[in-house]
Amino acid sequence: AQTVTQSQPEMSVQEAETVTLSCTYDTSESDYYLFWYKQPPSRQMILVIRQEAYKQQNATENRFSVNFQKAAKSFSLKISDSQLGDAAMYFCALPGGATNKLIFGTGTLLAVQP
Amino acid sequence: DSGVTQTPKHLITATGQRVTLRCSPRSGDLSVYWYQQSLDQGLQFLIQYYNGEERAKGNILERFSAQQFPDLHSELNLSSLELGDSALYFCASSVPQGSTDTQYFGPGTRLTVL
Repeated sequence: AQTVTQSQPEMSVQEAETVTLSCTYDTSESDYYLFWYKQPPSRQMILVIRQEAYKQQNATENRFSVNFQKAAKSFSLKISDSQLGDAAMYFCALPGGATNKLIFGTGTLLAVQP
Repeated sequence: DSGVTQTPKHLITATGQRVTLRCSPRSGDLSVYWYQQSLDQGLQFLIQYYNGEERAKGNILERFSAQQFPDLHSELNLSSLELGDSALYFCASSVPQGSTDTQYFGPGTRLTVL
């Protein structure tokens, strides 16, 4: 069965600094995607970035990038030049096999200090 | 704005009652997923519909049911409500991308059962 683990319940970063959120996962699939979603205080779930497992190149979306290590089953999210608006809960997610339902980690609450 | 709409935004009701949550997917998306987010269970997949047919079931209680209509909007029906059903209910719609779906979430319906 697929599992997703986020071992950092809370993180804090200074405005303009860089922070990395960790995620490890387990899957028996060979071809899969991984996702990071952001949930700000409004509670909306917002797609931040996605990574295809067969692509060696790490995905990047503006200030957000991932460090994907397939062999280690690790999928961390790096936020550069952190902004106050980045303060949110961040969830790592993995599609659960043929159904594509998302399996979420428990989330990391990121605080951004001015 | 993800393009997925959910109504109502908030719902307060009493134990034993029945409610209906509504979701309209993004234009062109055929799949709708329902998720429940509660403090103790985190984000849990409930059920998926694809083009009007049930595709997958997750941890959905027998008191809960859903359907997807010909215009692709979906409804989640919750009956005999209990205090523990209080949660944020999300729907997501998806577009196939490679071997998986990329899911875009609606703003959620916050259900409070008193």
